[in-house]
Amino acid sequence: DQQVKQNSPSLSVQEGRISILNCDYTNSMFDYFLWYKKYPAEGPTFLISISSIKDKNEDGRFTVFLNKSAKHLSLHIVPSQPGDSAVYFCAGRRGAGSYQLTFGKGTKLSVIP
Amino acid sequence: SAVISQKPSRDICQRGTSLTIQCQVDSQVTMMFWYRQQPGQSLTLIATANQGSEATYESGFVIDKFPISRPNLTFSTLTVSNMSPEDSSIYLCSGFPRQGTSEQFFGPGTRLTVL
Repeated sequence: DQQVKQNSPSLSVQEGRISILNCDYTNSMFDYFLWYKKYPAEGPTFLISISSIKDKNEDGRFTVFLNKSAKHLSLHIVPSQPGDSAVYFCAGRRGAGSYQLTFGKGTKLSVIP
Repeated sequence: SAVISQKPSRDICQRGTSLTIQCQVDSQVTMMFWYRQQPGQSLTLIATANQGSEATYESGFVIDKFPISRPNLTFSTLTVSNMSPEDSSIYLCSGFPRQGTSEQFFGPGTRLTVL
């Protein structure tokens, strides 16, 4: 049972445009959601997070939106830059007091100059 | 923020052998975890490495196959035992630098190929 789903394995976007990466989840117990970015041959690095009681969190060019009723979140990158080309993983935390994360399979973003 | 290093970065091993992966953090962390990423798959949690006691394993993972040690707050090892080609994966160590944060950080991973 895949509790976190990233249905788009890849996405290509022109430099300067908006990138939108989507994530769906099934576990209602997740209380926190995180996005990680991963370059080849490196470990994932934390990008941005959102509490389940919020519907939006913004950090510079990155904004995460949460639609709890639809069990859907999205990461917006505006404007997209070639350095943003990486694999993006969505993850859910299994409830307060837990540190375990459940990850999606990732979406490979390519930003074309 | 804290930095995690892993050794080896990659290895090619023969079926039936074992490999021990080391994870070193440059500062004390409250929690350490081991993940596996099989080709084309998500990061899957193997276990929580507990300092001074037995690791806590997720469903589908057992101590005999993946023995874990954590002798102190900055170091852990994962052994992949009696390897088969299905164990070919990237193995990642992660940690939390302090209580109350959700910002788990990761090592660079160990790419294991089993022939």
